[in-house]
Amino acid sequence: RKEVEQDPGPFNVPEGATVAFNCTYSNSASQSFFWYRQDCRKEPKLLMSVYSSGNEDGRFTAQLNRASQYISLLIRDSKLSDSATYLCVVRPPGGYNKLIFGAGTRLAVHP
Amino acid sequence: EAGVTQFPSHSVIEKGQTVTLRCDPISGHDNLYWYRRVMGKEIKFLLHFVKESKQDESGMPNNRFLAERTGGTYSTLKVQPAELEDSGVYFCASRPTGSNTEAFFGQGTRLTVV
Repeated sequence: RKEVEQDPGPFNVPEGATVAFNCTYSNSASQSFFWYRQDCRKEPKLLMSVYSSGNEDGRFTAQLNRASQYISLLIRDSKLSDSATYLCVVRPPGGYNKLIFGAGTRLAVHP
Repeated sequence: EAGVTQFPSHSVIEKGQTVTLRCDPISGHDNLYWYRRVMGKEIKFLLHFVKESKQDESGMPNNRFLAERTGGTYSTLKVQPAELEDSGVYFCASRPTGSNTEAFFGQGTRLTVV
């Protein structure tokens, strides 16, 4: 079983749509959780951290369910510029802050 | 402020040759990480330096890979001899001291072994 598993995608949605990505992680002792965004042939960039109480940043909402070991990302009112691969990332316990990545879910927003 | 820079951006080498990748972290960042993404797979951790010391090299695939960070500044990752399965994108990331600081990634080196 992979340490971090994500929806396989790709997701093809029209502008203005709401899209949700899901992710599960295997290590219940994992400490920190993130969503990264990666554009084609670019480096991963932090989109947002995910907190236990859930958090929102503009059109983006992240949720964490520690009991189910489940993380989600909701994007409202999708823009063309949201097209990218979204990576679910977990920081394991005692890992000197190394990051464990999911394989990513590709999002394509079309006009 | 300059970000994490990696050199070269692309490298094509023949099986059996040696390649050295370089990473210049953001100035002042003590933590430096190497990651790799092979085609169709997730980005995977290779190793972590704190200054010049290796803190965790549990992700290094085998002894054909050697990472160094002399003086605690830039780092090199040498693959010798390269094999076909080493092809992929090698990312470097750096992070300042502190448990909740963000890691910043370089644009990666795309390595193709033919």
